[in-house]
Amino acid sequence: ETGVTQTPRHLVMGMTNKKSLKCEQHLGHNAMYWYKQSAKKPLELMFVYSLEERVENNSVPSRFSPECPNSSHLFLHLHTLQPEDSALYLCASSQDRAGGSTDTQYFGPGTRLTVL
Amino acid sequence: DAKTTQPPSMDCAEGRAANLPCNHSTISGNEYVYWYRQIHSQGPQYIIHGLKNNETNEMASLIITEDRKSSTLILPHATLRDTAVYYCIVRSATYGQNFVFGPGTRLSVLP
Repeated sequence: ETGVTQTPRHLVMGMTNKKSLKCEQHLGHNAMYWYKQSAKKPLELMFVYSLEERVENNSVPSRFSPECPNSSHLFLHLHTLQPEDSALYLCASSQDRAGGSTDTQYFGPGTRLTVL
Repeated sequence: DAKTTQPPSMDCAEGRAANLPCNHSTISGNEYVYWYRQIHSQGPQYIIHGLKNNETNEMASLIITEDRKSSTLILPHATLRDTAVYYCIVRSATYGQNFVFGPGTRLSVLP
């Protein structure tokens, strides 16, 4: 599926680097999400954006900084990460957050991040 | 916290129906049952969801018991490409409710 794309697909960075993950959705949706999936752990919701406003931040450390410049794009800016931040980072979008069928979430393929 | 209970793993022979159970005994009247799957190291893929009635689409069928305390996802003719982790999620229909993913069921389709 090409509805939600993520770049890069793989990223290796040092602890002092600054990098950004990009997500783009081509579905005309108004809500976007960042999730983290560490090895052998369930998906953890990090941030939620609705109509380009951040509506949830689930106690995520400040070294992760999201940005949503428009309803189609979502970024996750990374700086001074730790090795334990190595994980699969997933972006998702939904039509809205109204409840019921219209907020079914559709996921991108993820970015596999390794912090050395 | 996840509101569902799923077996950690299941096997299914290729070409046979895969029946994946999910218990959600505390489900309330306005909560939907959603199913996603995640093939190794890819993003979760939406499969199907339902409220009360059984549902069918091109991927699967969802059977919800009359008391809504459990459901079964049926893949009618499993293929090797259906090997994945399957997540059953119960989620309220009210505004702003998030999806909470549990550990899911790891389905292995065997040749």
